[in-house]
Amino acid sequence: EVQLVQSGAEVRKPGESLKISCKGSGYDFITNWIAWVRQMPGKGLEWMGMIYPRDSDTRYSPSFQGQVTISADKSISTAYLQWSRLKASDTAIYYCARSLSTVTQDYWGQGTLVTVSS
Amino acid sequence: QSALTQPRSVSGSPGQSVTISCTGTSSDVGAYNYVSWYQQHPGKVPTLMIYDVNKRPSGVPDRFSGSKSGNTASLTISGLQAEDEADYYCSSYAGSHTLGVFGTGTKVTVL
Repeated sequence: EVQLVQSGAEVRKPGESLKISCKGSGYDFITNWIAWVRQMPGKGLEWMGMIYPRDSDTRYSPSFQGQVTISADKSISTAYLQWSRLKASDTAIYYCARSLSTVTQDYWGQGTLVTVSS
Repeated sequence: QSALTQPRSVSGSPGQSVTISCTGTSSDVGAYNYVSWYQQHPGKVPTLMIYDVNKRPSGVPDRFSGSKSGNTASLTISGLQAEDEADYYCSSYAGSHTLGVFGTGTKVTVL
């Protein structure tokens, strides 16, 4: 069974750093892209970027380029999303998802709620 | 890159059909046959319903169908059921620079 299990909810202050994770199982993790999607409170989905774990080829949406870093450790089938300096506007649920293509995400993680508040 | 435009809400009675539009540009929806649709129930994870404009993943009822004409893609739900009440998002490939873009989302209400 394909599963993507994300790390738990986080609460941080503005300016702090954060790295959340997404561990895949039940399929060949390194041969499928992993996408990250943001959903701000009460809002729609936003495509952030994606990574190919086999060689860590990473692509970012222009809106998120320079704002976050996507990485992966193929040895432990885990992808990451990190911020160096969080802002209040980063408060959202972040989903990872297995990607058959850029816009075809067939399996999703359960989401990680990130709350940034002073 | 702006989000694709969807109606804020659509509604229908059980058994009826509803169609959700997803309007983009000649740089995204109009340029590629890579449009997906996702269903999201409140507080739940999105689920893939349609990909590559009109393909259904296994397990998705054939009541759900997709199409595209020009810069507008559409999702049709035939034989509407109570469990179809949810938010629906389209997504399109938008080229090697922008990559992917989602629609604004549509709330489907079953009357």
